[in-house]
Amino acid sequence: QAVLTQPSSLSASPGASASLTCTLRSGINVGTYRINWYQQKSGSPPQYLLTYKSDSDKHQGSGVPSRFSGSKDASANAGILLISGLQSDDEADYYCMIWHSSAWVFGGGTKLTVL
Amino acid sequence: EVQLVESGGGLVQPGGSLRLSCVASGFTLSVYSMNWVRQAPGKGLEWVSYIGSSSIYYADSVKGRFTISRDSARNSLYLQMNSLRAEDTAVYYCATESCTSVSCHFDYWGQGTLVTVSS
Repeated sequence: QAVLTQPSSLSASPGASASLTCTLRSGINVGTYRINWYQQKSGSPPQYLLTYKSDSDKHQGSGVPSRFSGSKDASANAGILLISGLQSDDEADYYCMIWHSSAWVFGGGTKLTVL
Repeated sequence: EVQLVESGGGLVQPGGSLRLSCVASGFTLSVYSMNWVRQAPGKGLEWVSYIGSSSIYYADSVKGRFTISRDSARNSLYLQMNSLRAEDTAVYYCATESCTSVSCHFDYWGQGTLVTVSS
């Protein structure tokens, strides 16, 4: 079982909100991890969005709009990237990442389609 | 302006070797922790290796085959890749790692260099 699992795709309408989940493998407690989120548009390297551990332990990337935010669902053992007020420019692949067992680990990525 | 430029990619036969370079400009590379991340065609991101002030780490998939290093005088990061396999085919990115009081993350990325392992 992968350390981080993301749904492969998600579709949402312009102006709506999208919740992208990143589920940690059973036995790895989401509460103890800072989760990084990256956006990658076609043909470009990834760009850092934000880090979230808790409401008192979070970091927004420079220039990243506040409509990108992080949270957690402890019951699902998952980190969440919430994008509000979706725009066509938000269409991209989104990756979560954690530091686990002396390694950076990426989730498989979610392709967000805005239509 | 901060810039990272990778080079050294290309076509190599299985079992062969390549050395990737990542030249930094606009900042002093040696004061940062640095990482290599790869992305196979049409696939997701995979972390490859990390170098800090006193630590080096590798993904299990490359351990024993790849070596990360840096040269302060050349403001450059390297990845020596030996015993290459078809599954190493990917775009390889170098990325700076910055840490605040609450997070470490990759903030600057190069444009990547493509490595193709094929006979």
